[in-house]
Amino acid sequence: QKEVEQDPGPLSVPEGAIVSLNCTYSNSAFQYFMWYRQYSRKGPELLMYTYSSGNKEDGRFTAQVDKSSKYISLFIRDSQPSDSATYLCAMSASGAGGTSYGKLTFGQGTILTVHP
Amino acid sequence: DAGVIQSPRHEVTEMGQEVTLRCKPISGHDYLFWYRQTMMRGLELLIYFNNNVPIDDSGMPEDRFSAKMPNASFSTLKIQPSEPRDSAVYFCASSFRRDSPLHFGNGTRLTVT
Repeated sequence: QKEVEQDPGPLSVPEGAIVSLNCTYSNSAFQYFMWYRQYSRKGPELLMYTYSSGNKEDGRFTAQVDKSSKYISLFIRDSQPSDSATYLCAMSASGAGGTSYGKLTFGQGTILTVHP
Repeated sequence: DAGVIQSPRHEVTEMGQEVTLRCKPISGHDYLFWYRQTMMRGLELLIYFNNNVPIDDSGMPEDRFSAKMPNASFSTLKIQPSEPRDSAVYFCASSFRRDSPLHFGNGTRLTVT
């Protein structure tokens, strides 16, 4: 079983729809949770970052973390064709011994297409 | 800010050849990471450096892989000898400090025939 599970989709929605992307994980040591967006032939770019449980909102994007259920979500409101990309969840454990926030474990990515 | 710069963007080589991938991190970033992305396994961390020192290389798949960071502005990932199963996109990323976001380059697409 993988440490992080993400539905690969693909997911296709009409412009203006609300999109829900999800990941589950098994490692209870994970403390930092991130969502990255990756356009074709490009590197991942950070969209959202949250620490521990709770919600975080940034414009049309909302990230939710439920540590009790080991479940994280990303919501995109009023989706646009420019949101079409692969969305990757990523997680990291904090701790001693030099473990870095940057040592991320990624989900497989969900391919999202928003059509006009 | 030029971002993380990787070269070459594409590399096609024959099995058994040596391959060297290059990375220039963002100036002032203390951490540098090498990741590999494949359809089957997604993004995997290979190795990371802090202040030019390798901290964790547990993700390096085999002794055929080696990475160096001779100074704060340059790192290499070398595969010798290369094999077809090494075909993937290799990403370099850097971060300012331990709790800062990672900034990824646009990757090197490696094809080993």
